[in-house]
Amino acid sequence: SQKIEQNSEALNIQEGKTATLTCNYTNYSPAYLQWYRQDPGRGPVFLLLIRENEKEKRKERLKVTFDTTLKQSLFHITASQPADSATYLCALGSNYQLIWGAGTKLIIKP
Amino acid sequence: SQTIHQWPATLVQPVGSPLSLECTVEGTSNPNLYWYRQAAGRGLQLLFYSVGIGQISSEVPQNLSASRPQDRQFILSSKKLLLSDSGFYLCAWSGTGRVGNEKLFFGSGTQLSVL
Repeated sequence: SQKIEQNSEALNIQEGKTATLTCNYTNYSPAYLQWYRQDPGRGPVFLLLIRENEKEKRKERLKVTFDTTLKQSLFHITASQPADSATYLCALGSNYQLIWGAGTKLIIKP
Repeated sequence: SQTIHQWPATLVQPVGSPLSLECTVEGTSNPNLYWYRQAAGRGLQLLFYSVGIGQISSEVPQNLSASRPQDRQFILSSKKLLLSDSGFYLCAWSGTGRVGNEKLFFGSGTQLSVL
């Protein structure tokens, strides 16, 4: 069956450093990969979408890579700030399906 | 700009009681609408999605149902709640592309506790 893995342990990063989150998947060939941010008790907020034929996408301090050979996406936040602390979810999509990872909690320490 | 409203924010209901959660979208027409459930430490589980008025697709067999009486209104219901229905319920909308290809815009969620 299809499986998405995000690091279940919280990631602690010092302010100003680059945070890198991982999303691995198996038994699936997604055409799209999306990243969302979720704060406690709130709905997820869309951040970035990358297509299977795109290797990298950037938005301000955010960068996403998508390696269909490794079946992996990396999500980077450069110059991290305490306000970036949240849970980050990846979701893999094809035409008729969107499958979600459980998310990784990111903690940026001042 | 588009906005999505979901209420209530929290709800405590006894087992066997009915449920009605409502979601409305403003600033867009003919959106795709979705109901998700999120359990702690788990990925979002799609419950229902709708591509138009009266058109509902169910992804998971359960005692929940959904309806779309108006273009921008989506309702999640149950006649008799079970303990296992507890969770964080999220409404979302997207553009009219195929499910899985579109970015989603979520409401603020309803934390449902069935006791």
